[in-house]
Amino acid sequence: AQSVAQPEDQVNVAEGNPLTVKCTYSVSGNPYLFWYVQYPNRGLQFLLKYITGDNLVKGSYGFEAEFNKSQTSFHLKKPSALVSDSALYFCAVSHSGNTGKLIFGQGTTLQVKP
Amino acid sequence: SAVISQKPSRDICQRGTSLTIQCQVDSQVTMMFWYRQQPGQSLTLIATANQGSEATYESGFVIDKFPISRPNLTFSTLTVSNMSPEDSSIYLCSVVTPSYEQYFGPGTRLTVT
Repeated sequence: AQSVAQPEDQVNVAEGNPLTVKCTYSVSGNPYLFWYVQYPNRGLQFLLKYITGDNLVKGSYGFEAEFNKSQTSFHLKKPSALVSDSALYFCAVSHSGNTGKLIFGQGTTLQVKP
Repeated sequence: SAVISQKPSRDICQRGTSLTIQCQVDSQVTMMFWYRQQPGQSLTLIATANQGSEATYESGFVIDKFPISRPNLTFSTLTVSNMSPEDSSIYLCSVVTPSYEQYFGPGTRLTVT
């Protein structure tokens, strides 16, 4: 069965420091991987995706993620965190059949402190 | 990208009633999806709304409880029937672009009393 795990309920980081939000997945076939962000009382916003190609993908708002096939991971990163990055982050996976069905992780709350 | 709107944005309903949620997309799309986000939880796929055919439901969701319509390539509705407090959630529709990016509507926040 396909699954996504975000092992940390919350990540705390100081403004200006690098941040990492972890995600591991289990899927048959080639994975399509996504990161979304949800701000309070707002919808889900697309950040970035990995479909194929370079393992390091860049997305919106300075975020990037690294696909690691051997570790089945797709960690979200940003070199320098902003207070405005504080939000709920979801990792999601779809398999290579790309029916469009996404399986979401449980979410990680990122708290960036000034 | 795709611009998606949903109506209503929120509603408070009584137990036993039904609510129909509308989803409108600014471009024609083949597949639309309906997700549920229960309080403090992640998103769970309810069903795929296919234009011109029956919706396909995920395990744990049935047509009698969540009937879906897809009359054209830009519009879909989800009805939450015979509601109970356990149906209190945010309901979101989404679409997939040709570049495999999935975009979500702003959601409908449903509270059942």
